[in-house]
Amino acid sequence: NAGVMQNPRHLVRRRGQEARLRCSPMKGHSHVYWYRQLPEEGLKFMVYLQKENIIDESGMPKERFSAEFPKEGPSILRIQQVVRGDSAAYFCASSPQGPRSNQPQHFGDGTRLSIL
Amino acid sequence: DAKTTQPNSMESNEEEPVHLPCNHSTISGTDYIHWYRQLPSQGPEYVIHGLTSNVNNRMASLAIAEDRKSSTLILHRATLRDAAVYYCIPSGNTGKLIFGQGTTLQVKP
Repeated sequence: NAGVMQNPRHLVRRRGQEARLRCSPMKGHSHVYWYRQLPEEGLKFMVYLQKENIIDESGMPKERFSAEFPKEGPSILRIQQVVRGDSAAYFCASSPQGPRSNQPQHFGDGTRLSIL
Repeated sequence: DAKTTQPNSMESNEEEPVHLPCNHSTISGTDYIHWYRQLPSQGPEYVIHGLTSNVNNRMASLAIAEDRKSSTLILHRATLRDAAVYYCIPSGNTGKLIFGQGTTLQVKP
């Protein structure tokens, strides 16, 4: 049973370009969460999605960042017009049921985004 | 969101038990206590969680104080592969895991 798959593992972009990070949840999981870990800092929640719906985006920066989890295919975290401060490790997690079930979240190994 | 206090770092010898403490005095009555760990260059890994009773699984044991204001993660025999940052996270029903600074565990051979 494959775990949470994130790609690419490493992504390099120049300032002003777009970054697209993909996350395929574990089989049977319909809940996806994105977290960001800035250098020398802890992980911060960004957004929680359930198939085709954004449930909680309270951790998302107000501009340039968006997330989707379509009916078919992986979840995508999109960063437009990247800046140096976007350099970080972005982690995706999934769970089979919603938070009220208190089931654990299963994490991928992240995408490390570097902005030149 | 409940605040947590964990030691910044701890050391252990290989093959010995490790007790990792966590204070969460503002935890709400319905929050579960989750423990995750993060090995270098990897994503967080679920370790264990519980509500009131002590819990055991193949990775660790979780001892929860009767008043639920603190808990202790117990690794029964530390190995070099257990060297990681350990996070204690009281988790409600929002899906939002709040990671603190955690405890960096070093395991000496």
